[in-house]
Amino acid sequence: GQNIDQPTEMTATEGAIVQINCTYQTSGFNGLFWYQQHAGEAPTFLSYNVLDGLEEKGRFSSFLSRSKGYSYLLLKELQMKDSASYLCAANPGNTGKLIFGQGTTLQVKP
Amino acid sequence: GAVVSQHPSRVICKSGTSVKIECRSLDFQATTMFWYRQFPKKSLMLMATSNEGSKATYEQGVEKDKFLINHASLTLSTLTVTSAHPEDSSFYICSARTSEAYEQYFGPGTRLTVT
Repeated sequence: GQNIDQPTEMTATEGAIVQINCTYQTSGFNGLFWYQQHAGEAPTFLSYNVLDGLEEKGRFSSFLSRSKGYSYLLLKELQMKDSASYLCAANPGNTGKLIFGQGTTLQVKP
Repeated sequence: GAVVSQHPSRVICKSGTSVKIECRSLDFQATTMFWYRQFPKKSLMLMATSNEGSKATYEQGVEKDKFLINHASLTLSTLTVTSAHPEDSSFYICSARTSEAYEQYFGPGTRLTVT
């Protein structure tokens, strides 16, 4: 079956660093996505990993280990506007469809 | 670039009526569009995959006769919720992708309320 796991909620302090973990088990694998979603809005693309290693994009970085079925999203220099839900999604095959995790609600406190 | 629009953004309808939601890719041709449903504080649940010019592929448990999907062109897909009931009230989001990339671009979503 297909399964994506990530923590439900996390809290962090403004200016700090937070790491959101995601583990996945899928029948196939063609990449791992991270999306940010603010309440009542559509998800926005943050990152895509298909090879092992770290991809850095400004304050956000994403890591993938295919052998471990594991990814994390790293957010640096947290800002209040980073309070949102972060969705981990795996592409299990060639159709392009994504299997989403439950989402991690991040609350950034002053 | 890569903008996806949805219309309407909010709709309220009475039980038993049908509602059509449009999803458009504004600046690219979308060979595949996806329809998701999202309940409050929950993640996205894929309903169906829609390829231009062919029948949609529905996920297990999604009633194809209730949720009619049409992908008439490379820039437009529609979702029609037929004979809507209050339990169909939800946030419906579409996404689109090209054949060259795996990334999906999401629309702003449609909030459907059935009274």
